[in-house]
Amino acid sequence: QKEVEQNSGPLSVPEGAIASLNCTYSDRVSQSFFWYRQYSGKSPELIMSIYSNGDKEDGRFTAQLNKASQYVSLLIRDSQPSDSATYLCAVTGTSGTYKYIFGTGTRLKVLA
Amino acid sequence: DVKVTQSSRYLVKRTGEKVFLECVQDMDHENMFWYRQDPGLGLRLIYFSYDVKMKEKGDIPEGYSVSREKKERFSLILESASTNQTSMYLCASLQDRGRYGYTFGSGTRLTVV
Repeated sequence: QKEVEQNSGPLSVPEGAIASLNCTYSDRVSQSFFWYRQYSGKSPELIMSIYSNGDKEDGRFTAQLNKASQYVSLLIRDSQPSDSATYLCAVTGTSGTYKYIFGTGTRLKVLA
Repeated sequence: DVKVTQSSRYLVKRTGEKVFLECVQDMDHENMFWYRQDPGLGLRLIYFSYDVKMKEKGDIPEGYSVSREKKERFSLILESASTNQTSMYLCASLQDRGRYGYTFGSGTRLTVV
């Protein structure tokens, strides 16, 4: 069973701090990695994608990928209360790569 | 932007009813998906479709069926609704295999009483 694992949290950080969210995956052939943000009662919204080892930055968000260690992380700089949400990690699976595997998410709370 | 539209935001149905959840996407995507999301269980794939009239079972297809007669529309059918099908149902669309993330609809919160 291919898996994606995330700490469920909640992860609490003070406003203005860096929030670090982590995700590990079991399938070595996974090639694409995604982070979604989901507010309570809403649907997931794609915020970052990453395909190569290293860092990818987009505004206050940085995705980091280490395929050798099979982990992907999301850093949120200058965290705001509006960043409080559940963050889902998703990776491509082996079967044609269109069936993605989702983690159960990490709940982030940014304290004002 | 791709738009994925789910026909209902909230639904309340009675046990035993046949329930139709509709999903329409406007960007000619080949791949469409139905998930349900429950607290502590995350997203679970019910069915997906990679082309018109093509469908494949996901991880939890029991009690559900799907229909994809047109490329833009993917319907989820609960043949005989039961209380354990009370959940948030999410439709998603995918532009290209592996290089893009899913785009989700706004979700349908279904309550079966």
